[in-house]
Amino acid sequence: IAGITQAPTSQILAAGRRMTLRCTQDMRHNAMYWYRQDLGLGLRLIHYSNTAGTTGKGEVPDGYSVSRANTDDFPLTLASAVPSQTSVYFCASSEQGSYNEQFFGPGTRLTVL
Amino acid sequence: SQQGEEDPQALSIQEGENATMNCSYKTSINNLQWYRQNSGRGLVHLILIRSNEREKHSGRLRVTLDTSKKSSSLLITASRAADTASYFCATERQAGTALIFGKGTTLSVSS
Repeated sequence: IAGITQAPTSQILAAGRRMTLRCTQDMRHNAMYWYRQDLGLGLRLIHYSNTAGTTGKGEVPDGYSVSRANTDDFPLTLASAVPSQTSVYFCASSEQGSYNEQFFGPGTRLTVL
Repeated sequence: SQQGEEDPQALSIQEGENATMNCSYKTSINNLQWYRQNSGRGLVHLILIRSNEREKHSGRLRVTLDTSKKSSSLLITASRAADTASYFCATERQAGTALIFGKGTTLSVSS
């Protein structure tokens, strides 16, 4: 089934731990994105990648890192989780750049204690 | 910083009524997109309107764009309970990079 998958669905994590959120798409889209969604703040862009091998910083990149080794995968890593990173994380992809519609994954609900 | 801001923040209507949501943005755009999010789900693309378009239709959805006022509206006609969701407008952060989403309008349609 074409689309974007994210894993895990939800996770409770102790502060200070390292965590990688996984995102895979099978639509061969060039561009991929990571957002966090917090109540009252809407969606905020963390990092993006316009094509495999390149990444860029979004609005709220601090404390997060990404890599784009191939077209399909775009993992998001929290090197040392803090409670303020408690959020719902969405991965998205688009064919080429922001002038095309984005397709979103189902999200990962992360709680950092 | 937010590029698009939706108004109202929340809207409650009865089935069969029309729902209108507005979006204002700050800088010039190439296109503006509207998305829908059901509770606990990811966003789903509804419609994209380009800067040289003034109006676009898709089923019961009608989107207008006024670039002189830097605003857009989303009209849902003959609302159904299934239209209950949050609706977001999105514009480009910088050309060819990523979208900036507004905080959304929460629509509640009661039967």
